[in-house]
Amino acid sequence: QSALTQPRSVSGSPGQSVTISCTGTSSDVGGYNYVSWYQQHPGKAPKLMIYDVSKRPSGVPDRFSGSKSGNTASLTISGLQAEDEADYYCCSYAGSYRVFGTGTKVTVL
Amino acid sequence: EVQLVESGGVVVQPGGSLRLSCAASGFTFDDYAMHWVRQAPGKGLEWVSLISWDGGSTYYADSVKGRFTISRDNSKNSLYLQMNSLRAEDTALYYCAKDARWEPHFDYWGQGTLVTVSS
Repeated sequence: QSALTQPRSVSGSPGQSVTISCTGTSSDVGGYNYVSWYQQHPGKAPKLMIYDVSKRPSGVPDRFSGSKSGNTASLTISGLQAEDEADYYCCSYAGSYRVFGTGTKVTVL
Repeated sequence: EVQLVESGGVVVQPGGSLRLSCAASGFTFDDYAMHWVRQAPGKGLEWVSLISWDGGSTYYADSVKGRFTISRDNSKNSLYLQMNSLRAEDTALYYCAKDARWEPHFDYWGQGTLVTVSS
């Protein structure tokens, strides 16, 4: 049950795109198409942004997209906006268990 | 509207016990698995435990196995976390989270309840 590896921080200017990676193993990310992504603003509860690797819940802007290759999943935010500045966490199903990523702080310059 | 409201967080001494509660509303509680997820101050999210819709199956993170017990009372639309042998490293904001029905992700979260383990 080791945490998935994410970069500590990424940044971009408004309108640019940023990509956050999430690296696990064949026992979690690589073994299932069940990676989800959560956005967390300071002092707030996490919010679901992507599930099943690339599906967006209703109400999440299509600027947010997800993908996966092997043991690494990615979240891309296109057309970065000021309100996207937050912490982002990936999470993978691991056979009844769940494992979160280490978290990435997205800064909008 | 789905609502999850956690309670029970307090300051407790190392080695002590505590029970957290989560009151659920706005959905058919006994149709869904439920989770506890925690976040230490200034740190990332950590999955703690999962209970199936009927309480028949439970799972725990290695860090809490043998010390924490998850349970539910479907007649009261409530989720619980019994925490024993508490350690300083259990200090965290504890979130109750609802599992989606067909895919394993958390679709709704509570606002959390703070547990502080300190002498």
